Amino acid sequence: SYELTQPPSVSVSPGQTASITCSGDKLGDRYACWYQQKPGQSPLLVIYQDKKRPSGIPERFSGSNSGNTATLTISGTQAIDEADYYCQAWDSSTPYVFGSGTKVTVL
Amino acid sequence: EMQLVESGGNLVQPGGSLRLSCAVSGFTFSDHYMDWVRQAPGKGLEWVGRIRDKAKSYTTQYAASVKGRFTISRDESKNSLFLQMNSLRIEDTAVYFCVRETQSPDTSWYYYMDVWGKGTTVTVSS
Repeated sequence: SYELTQPPSVSVSPGQTASITCSGDKLGDRYACWYQQKPGQSPLLVIYQDKKRPSGIPERFSGSNSGNTATLTISGTQAIDEADYYCQAWDSSTPYVFGSGTKVTVL
Repeated sequence: EMQLVESGGNLVQPGGSLRLSCAVSGFTFSDHYMDWVRQAPGKGLEWVGRIRDKAKSYTTQYAASVKGRFTISRDESKNSLFLQMNSLRIEDTAVYFCVRETQSPDTSWYYYMDVWGKGTTVTVSS
Protein backbone atom coordinates (compact mmCIF):
# COMPACT_ATOMS: atom_id res chain seq x y z
CA SER A 1 0.00 0.00 0.00
CA TYR A 2 1.06 3.55 -0.64
CA GLU A 3 2.61 5.45 2.27
CA LEU A 4 3.11 9.14 2.98
CA THR A 5 5.73 10.27 5.49
CA GLN A 6 5.62 13.53 7.42
CA PRO A 7 7.88 14.87 10.18
CA PRO A 8 6.16 14.56 13.57
CA SER A 9 6.71 18.19 14.45
CA VAL A 10 7.78 21.55 13.10
CA SER A 11 8.48 24.64 15.17
CA VAL A 12 8.37 28.18 13.84
CA SER A 13 8.60 31.69 15.26
CA PRO A 14 5.73 34.10 14.67
CA GLY A 15 6.11 35.90 11.37
CA GLN A 16 8.54 33.34 9.98
CA THR A 17 8.00 30.69 7.31
CA ALA A 18 7.03 27.13 8.17
CA SER A 19 7.62 24.34 5.67
CA ILE A 20 5.95 20.97 6.17
CA THR A 21 7.05 18.11 3.96
CA CYS A 22 5.23 15.00 2.82
CA SER A 23 7.20 12.22 1.14
CA GLY A 24 5.97 9.34 -0.98
CA ASP A 25 7.13 7.31 -3.94
CA LYS A 26 6.70 9.46 -7.07
CA LEU A 27 4.34 11.70 -5.12
CA GLY A 28 4.87 14.40 -7.73
CA ASP A 29 2.98 12.22 -10.22
CA ARG A 30 -0.11 12.41 -8.00
CA TYR A 31 -2.01 15.38 -6.67
CA ALA A 32 -1.52 16.29 -3.00
CA CYS A 33 -3.91 17.89 -0.53
CA TRP A 34 -3.30 19.41 2.86
CA TYR A 35 -5.64 19.57 5.85
CA GLN A 36 -5.33 21.62 9.01
CA GLN A 37 -6.79 20.24 12.23
CA LYS A 38 -6.93 22.14 15.50
CA PRO A 39 -7.59 20.35 18.81
CA GLY A 40 -11.17 19.22 19.14
CA GLN A 41 -12.07 20.32 15.62
CA SER A 42 -12.62 18.56 12.34
CA PRO A 43 -10.04 18.87 9.56
CA LEU A 44 -10.08 21.89 7.27
CA LEU A 45 -8.91 21.72 3.66
CA VAL A 46 -6.19 24.32 3.10
CA ILE A 47 -4.60 23.16 -0.18
CA TYR A 48 -5.87 20.84 -2.91
CA GLN A 49 -4.54 19.71 -6.27
CA ASP A 50 -0.99 20.49 -5.10
CA LYS A 51 -1.29 24.27 -4.89
CA LYS A 52 -4.88 25.49 -5.05
CA ARG A 53 -6.42 27.29 -2.10
CA PRO A 54 -10.11 26.89 -1.27
CA SER A 55 -12.14 30.01 -0.81
CA GLY A 56 -11.46 31.62 2.56
CA ILE A 57 -7.99 30.17 3.07
CA PRO A 58 -5.41 32.93 3.60
CA GLU A 59 -2.78 33.56 0.93
CA ARG A 60 -0.01 32.75 3.40
CA PHE A 61 -0.80 29.07 2.78
CA SER A 62 0.81 27.67 -0.37
CA GLY A 63 1.67 24.25 -1.73
CA SER A 64 4.05 22.57 -4.14
CA ASN A 65 4.66 19.01 -5.27
CA SER A 66 7.54 17.57 -7.25
CA GLY A 67 9.55 14.38 -7.35
CA ASN A 68 8.89 12.47 -4.15
CA THR A 69 7.95 15.43 -1.96
CA ALA A 70 4.98 17.71 -1.49
CA THR A 71 5.43 20.80 0.65
CA LEU A 72 3.00 23.01 2.52
CA THR A 73 4.43 26.46 3.20
CA ILE A 74 2.99 28.90 5.70
CA SER A 75 4.44 32.36 5.17
CA GLY A 76 4.28 34.90 7.97
CA THR A 77 3.08 32.21 10.39
CA GLN A 78 0.60 33.35 13.00
CA ALA A 79 -0.32 31.88 16.37
CA ILE A 80 -3.67 30.79 14.94
CA ASP A 81 -1.82 28.52 12.50
CA GLU A 82 -0.73 26.25 15.34
CA ALA A 83 -2.34 22.91 14.50
CA ASP A 84 -1.81 19.44 13.12
CA TYR A 85 -1.37 19.27 9.36
CA TYR A 86 -2.06 16.18 7.27
CA CYS A 87 -1.09 15.57 3.67
CA GLN A 88 -3.18 13.31 1.47
CA ALA A 89 -2.78 11.75 -1.95
CA TRP A 90 -4.52 9.30 -4.22
CA ASP A 91 -3.61 5.65 -4.62
CA SER A 92 -5.04 3.13 -7.05
CA SER A 93 -6.15 0.83 -4.25
CA THR A 94 -7.20 3.45 -1.71
CA PRO A 95 -8.61 6.72 -3.02
CA TYR A 96 -7.47 8.67 -0.01
CA VAL A 97 -4.16 8.00 1.72
CA PHE A 98 -3.19 10.30 4.58
CA GLY A 99 0.19 11.14 5.98
CA SER A 100 0.82 10.60 9.68
CA GLY A 101 0.48 14.30 10.46
CA THR A 102 2.79 17.11 11.55
CA LYS A 103 2.26 19.20 14.65
CA VAL A 104 3.14 22.83 13.96
CA THR A 105 4.11 24.80 17.03
CA VAL A 106 4.38 28.57 16.88
CA LEU A 107 6.90 29.56 19.53
CA GLU B 1 -24.30 27.34 5.01
CA MET B 2 -23.06 23.87 4.18
CA GLN B 3 -23.50 21.45 7.06
CA LEU B 4 -22.76 17.81 7.71
CA VAL B 5 -24.10 16.58 11.04
CA GLU B 6 -23.18 13.10 12.18
CA SER B 7 -25.09 11.09 14.75
CA GLY B 8 -25.37 7.55 16.07
CA GLY B 9 -22.04 7.19 17.82
CA ASN B 10 -22.15 5.14 21.00
CA LEU B 11 -20.45 2.62 23.24
CA VAL B 12 -20.76 -0.88 21.81
CA GLN B 13 -19.28 -4.25 22.71
CA PRO B 14 -16.81 -6.07 20.45
CA GLY B 15 -18.69 -8.00 17.80
CA GLY B 16 -21.62 -5.62 17.95
CA SER B 17 -23.17 -3.36 15.33
CA LEU B 18 -23.83 0.33 15.00
CA ARG B 19 -25.33 2.59 12.34
CA LEU B 20 -24.06 6.10 11.87
CA SER B 21 -26.00 8.81 10.08
CA CYS B 22 -24.98 12.07 8.49
CA ALA B 23 -27.58 14.76 7.75
CA VAL B 24 -26.58 17.07 4.93
CA SER B 25 -27.77 20.60 4.22
CA GLY B 26 -26.68 23.72 2.36
CA PHE B 27 -25.68 22.07 -0.91
CA THR B 28 -27.03 19.64 -3.51
CA PHE B 29 -26.32 16.29 -1.85
CA SER B 30 -27.00 14.28 -4.99
CA ASP B 31 -24.20 16.03 -6.89
CA HIS B 32 -21.43 14.77 -4.64
CA TYR B 33 -19.56 11.63 -3.72
CA MET B 34 -19.53 11.19 0.05
CA ASP B 35 -17.04 9.59 2.41
CA TRP B 36 -16.44 8.46 5.97
CA VAL B 37 -13.08 9.18 7.56
CA ARG B 38 -12.15 8.15 11.10
CA GLN B 39 -9.63 9.21 13.70
CA ALA B 40 -8.67 6.97 16.61
CA PRO B 41 -7.91 8.73 19.91
CA GLY B 42 -4.64 10.63 19.59
CA LYS B 43 -4.00 9.23 16.12
CA GLY B 44 -4.12 10.42 12.53
CA LEU B 45 -6.81 10.33 9.87
CA GLU B 46 -7.89 7.09 8.22
CA TRP B 47 -10.14 6.93 5.17
CA VAL B 48 -12.96 4.42 5.73
CA GLY B 49 -14.90 4.42 2.49
CA ARG B 50 -16.84 6.35 -0.12
CA ILE B 51 -20.06 6.19 -2.07
CA ARG B 52 -20.36 7.71 -5.51
CA ASP B 53 -23.37 9.49 -6.95
CA LYS B 54 -26.30 8.24 -9.00
CA ALA B 55 -24.39 8.78 -12.25
CA LYS B 56 -21.86 6.23 -11.04
CA SER B 57 -24.60 3.90 -9.77
CA TYR B 58 -23.88 4.64 -6.11
CA THR B 59 -20.86 2.35 -6.22
CA THR B 60 -18.76 2.06 -3.09
CA GLN B 61 -15.12 1.60 -2.10
CA TYR B 62 -13.76 0.62 1.29
CA ALA B 63 -10.49 0.55 3.16
CA ALA B 64 -9.07 -2.93 3.57
CA SER B 65 -9.45 -2.63 7.34
CA VAL B 66 -13.25 -2.41 7.15
CA LYS B 67 -14.13 -4.18 3.91
CA GLY B 68 -16.76 -6.86 4.46
CA ARG B 69 -17.78 -5.39 7.84
CA PHE B 70 -18.85 -1.82 7.00
CA THR B 71 -21.43 -0.69 4.44
CA ILE B 72 -21.99 2.85 3.19
CA SER B 73 -25.34 3.91 1.80
CA ARG B 74 -27.17 7.13 1.01
CA ASP B 75 -30.77 8.31 0.85
CA GLU B 76 -31.19 11.16 -1.60
CA SER B 77 -34.78 11.83 -0.45
CA LYS B 78 -33.53 12.47 3.08
CA ASN B 79 -30.22 14.13 2.19
CA SER B 80 -28.54 11.56 4.38
CA LEU B 81 -25.47 9.37 4.40
CA PHE B 82 -25.14 6.21 6.45
CA LEU B 83 -22.44 3.89 7.73
CA GLN B 84 -23.52 0.45 8.88
CA MET B 85 -20.79 -1.07 11.02
CA ASN B 86 -20.91 -4.78 11.87
CA SER B 87 -18.52 -7.12 13.68
CA LEU B 88 -17.01 -4.16 15.46
CA ARG B 89 -13.52 -4.46 16.90
CA ILE B 90 -11.74 -2.53 19.62
CA GLU B 91 -9.55 -0.95 16.94
CA ASP B 92 -12.65 0.60 15.33
CA THR B 93 -12.83 2.99 18.27
CA ALA B 94 -12.61 6.46 16.76
CA VAL B 95 -14.32 9.69 15.87
CA TYR B 96 -16.09 9.17 12.55
CA PHE B 97 -16.33 12.13 10.19
CA CYS B 98 -18.78 12.51 7.33
CA VAL B 99 -17.04 14.19 4.40
CA ARG B 100 -18.09 15.68 1.07
CA GLU B 101 -16.03 15.15 -2.06
CA THR B 102 -15.88 17.70 -4.84
CA GLN B 103 -14.76 17.11 -8.39
CA SER B 104 -12.02 19.35 -9.72
CA PRO B 105 -13.45 21.70 -12.37
CA ASP B 106 -10.36 21.36 -14.58
CA THR B 107 -9.38 17.73 -13.98
CA SER B 108 -12.44 15.53 -14.19
CA TRP B 109 -10.91 12.43 -12.61
CA TYR B 110 -9.63 14.31 -9.55
CA TYR B 111 -11.71 14.63 -6.40
CA TYR B 112 -10.89 16.17 -3.06
CA MET B 113 -12.58 16.26 0.35
CA ASP B 114 -13.66 19.81 1.00
CA VAL B 115 -16.41 19.80 3.63
CA TRP B 116 -16.22 17.89 6.91
CA GLY B 117 -18.70 17.27 9.69
CA LYS B 118 -17.78 17.61 13.36
CA GLY B 119 -17.77 13.87 13.88
CA THR B 120 -19.45 11.30 16.11
CA THR B 121 -17.64 9.09 18.61
CA VAL B 122 -17.70 5.31 18.44
CA THR B 123 -16.24 3.38 21.34
CA VAL B 124 -15.86 -0.38 21.10
CA SER B 125 -15.20 -1.88 24.50
CA SER B 126 -16.39 -4.66 26.77
